[in-house]
This record gives sequence, structure tokens and C-alpha cells, in this order.
Amino acid sequence: GENVEQHPSTLSVQEGDSAVIKCTYSDSASNYFPWYKQELGKRPQLIIDIRSNVGEKKDQRIAVTLNKTAKHFSLHITETQPEDSAVYFCAASIGNTGKLIFGQGTTLQVKP
Amino acid sequence: KAGVTQTPRYLIKTRGQQVTLSCSPISGHRSVSWYQQTPGQGLQFLFEYFSETQRNKGNFPGRFSGRQFSNSRSEMNVSTLELGDSALYLCASSLLGQGAETQYFGPGTRLLVL
Repeated sequence: GENVEQHPSTLSVQEGDSAVIKCTYSDSASNYFPWYKQELGKRPQLIIDIRSNVGEKKDQRIAVTLNKTAKHFSLHITETQPEDSAVYFCAASIGNTGKLIFGQGTTLQVKP
Repeated sequence: KAGVTQTPRYLIKTRGQQVTLSCSPISGHRSVSWYQQTPGQGLQFLFEYFSETQRNKGNFPGRFSGRQFSNSRSEMNVSTLELGDSALYLCASSLLGQGAETQYFGPGTRLLVL
């Protein structure tokens, strides 16, 4: 069935290091892959997204790559800062609908 | 534009009761999706409404239902509450609810069932 696997579940890095979170999806018709950041007690906030006609997208310290053949996509955060500490969720659209299937989340801790 | 709003923000109910949660989308957005967030199951899709019609549904029992009004505001209802329904209920709105559109989340309603 529809599924998104996300790894790792927890990630601890030193300030200034890079962090990488990986997701795989099952629905070959998925065409939209957003990443959300959720701080404790707050709503998920979109940080970057990528559509299936693009292989890579970058926004300052954040980048996302997509491999449609392998059905996986990754989030890369460079020069991490303590304020990057949060739970990050990947998601994939189901076909061309508004339904998103989310990964289980990655708790990122950036140590000063 | 104002963001997505949800009311109430917190709710405590007892088993067997029912509850209604409300979501007001961003002005001009016509699609509203609902998600349940729990520590064990993560974010799970409940259903999506567009133009007052349920367009997609997740794998939740019939106790979970929803509706959308002509102004795009949406409500979800959970009847015969169970302890396992304790969760953060998030709604998200998008312009047309198409696959490649950004969904913007509300702050959520935290439901505790005792």
C-alpha cells in the first residue's frame, strides 16, 4: 500500500556539521515531495519541497534531492545551527491528489 | 493573509463522548485535509474536502467523519471516543488540493480522552 519510510529516526550532530535525512516512497504516481519542520508544541512548517520534474532544489542551507527511479528523496542541511533542532517529516503525494503520506519523522538535535 | 486556524486548541473528553473540531483555511483555499498526529503513528491522513465534498479518505473507522461548508471551513467529528483517539488533530489547507500544491497546517487541536 501507500507508504513512506524515513531514516534515521533520530540524528545528533555538532553545530556546523551537515545533516542528511532520507525517505523512500511506494507510489510511483507521487509527484510532490514536501519536507516539514515541527518544533515542540508547534504546527508543521514547510521548509522545502520538490516536484517530480526536478532532481534537486536548494534554498540557502537546505537542499532536497529526488531520485524517481529509486523512489527516494533526501533532505540535506548544511552548517547546522541549534535552531535547526526539531522533528523533520518527509511526505509524498498520492497520485495527483491532496493526500499526503508522511514518514515517521526524524528528531534532529544540533549540539552547540 | 491570515493562516489556517483551528478551534478549540485543547479539549478534554471522556470515553464514549463525541467531539467536533473546526478548521478555517487560508482565505481563497478550497481544499482542507485533516491529519491525526500521535507519538506512535506519526502523521496519518484522515480525509480531504474540496468544494463541500469528501474527495479522499484515509484508513480510519467510520466514527471519524467530517464536512465542509460553502465558505470552505471544515469540521471533523469523532463519535464514541476511545482512549486511543487522544492525539493532535491537524488540518491543512491548499488552493485546489491538487497533488503538487503546498499544504499549510493549522496549529492543531490537542484532544485528550480520559
